[in-house]
Amino acid sequence: AQSVTQPDIHITVSEGASLELRCNYSYGATPYLFWYVQSPGQGLQLLLKYFSGDTLVQGIKGFEAEFKRSQSSFNLRKPSVHWSDAAEYFCAVGPFTSGTYKYIFGTGTRLKVLA
Amino acid sequence: DTGVSQNPRHKITKRGQNVTFRCDPISEHNRLYWYRQTLGQGPEFLTYFQNEAQLEKSRLLSDRFSAERPKGSFSTLEIQRTEQGDSAMYLCASSLARQGEAFFGQGTRLTVV
Repeated sequence: AQSVTQPDIHITVSEGASLELRCNYSYGATPYLFWYVQSPGQGLQLLLKYFSGDTLVQGIKGFEAEFKRSQSSFNLRKPSVHWSDAAEYFCAVGPFTSGTYKYIFGTGTRLKVLA
Repeated sequence: DTGVSQNPRHKITKRGQNVTFRCDPISEHNRLYWYRQTLGQGPEFLTYFQNEAQLEKSRLLSDRFSAERPKGSFSTLEIQRTEQGDSAMYLCASSLARQGEAFFGQGTRLTVV
């Protein structure tokens, strides 16, 4: 069955430091992959997506992610974190082409940024 | 393009009451999704529409839950005989089949007291 794992529940970084949030997925074929960000009490905003092609994708707010098929990973990175990046980040996979068109989300990583 | 709109943003209801939420997707989007999110968890899939057809329902969607999308435009999610366990954020998303990414609304926060 398809699944998404975000192994880090909480991450704390200092402002200006680099960031990497981990995401691993389970799916038999090459999936569509996404990262979303959610501020408290708000909906989800799409940061970036991977469909095919270049495995390093750029997103909004200075984020990027790299798809590694051999590791079934899609880690999110940012070279220099800003205080406004504090939020919850969700990795997602889907929609699938066989049997289901839903998106599956990880449990999220809550990012705290220290001044 | 005003994005996905959900109403109300917040709803407090007494246990046993019925509630209905509305979602207005991005106008040209033919796919519409409902998700539920509880504190500290990722969104969990509830149901999916392509145009007006409800094509998939999660086992999470008990018989107290019903969703409709008349004429393939807005959608409603109704919960009958609410229970405290129904307290959650209910998220709606829409997408174009050919593009793949889903755009989410701000959600409806339900509190059952």
